[in-house]
Amino acid sequence: QSVLTQPPSVSGAPGQRVSISCTGSSSNIGAGYDVHWYQQLPGAAPKLLIYGNINRPSGVPDRFSGSKSGTSASLAITGLQAEDEADYYCQSFDSSLSARFGTGTKVTVL
Amino acid sequence: EVQVLESGGGLVQPGGSLRLSCAASGFTFNSYAMTWVRQAPGKGLEWVSGISGSGLSTYYADSVKGRFTISRDNSKNTLYLQMNSLRAEDTAAYYCAKLAGSTVYYGMDVWGQGTTVTVSS
Repeated sequence: QSVLTQPPSVSGAPGQRVSISCTGSSSNIGAGYDVHWYQQLPGAAPKLLIYGNINRPSGVPDRFSGSKSGTSASLAITGLQAEDEADYYCQSFDSSLSARFGTGTKVTVL
Repeated sequence: EVQVLESGGGLVQPGGSLRLSCAASGFTFNSYAMTWVRQAPGKGLEWVSGISGSGLSTYYADSVKGRFTISRDNSKNTLYLQMNSLRAEDTAAYYCAKLAGSTVYYGMDVWGQGTTVTVSS
């Protein structure tokens, strides 16, 4: 069972900004482990979107940004586009020596 | 091109065994940790297991500990997942993923397309 909690869904109109939270604890995010974010388009494998809390792999638009503070992290999407409609997952490591994914958030573009 | 390709999925009875393979290409395999992630139908991502680049360190989710074994053959650029005592709740698409560094703390930067495991009588 996941110990990283995300909102089930967020939505926004094209061009708007949306934010997805990822709430952990002192045994994972709060312990200093990095947070990574993944985008999963319908029917596709996940894709790394943000690594090491704030870094974007080459090819990922700068509309996507990550942040981390305390026991939580956030993914922001600015200038929302129709192609951003997907499921998004945060991921970190836990002091129990397990990687953890967040519960997942479905982004809907209105 | 950097890629990973899973194989070995299929239909298996409860209590049975299956071995998944993941063939890697386009990168120095032994320099990177690897991991298995699964996704049950209509559900979220679940981390299953990870292994360091050297193969000396392995990690497992509580849900599979004692039943699944991760290994790698760096001479063959191949990752494996031996799954024993399979249960209905192990039914999922299983993804192989490369991590961006030699330890499991890095992000998963290359993913395969997945192989489907169905546990049913």
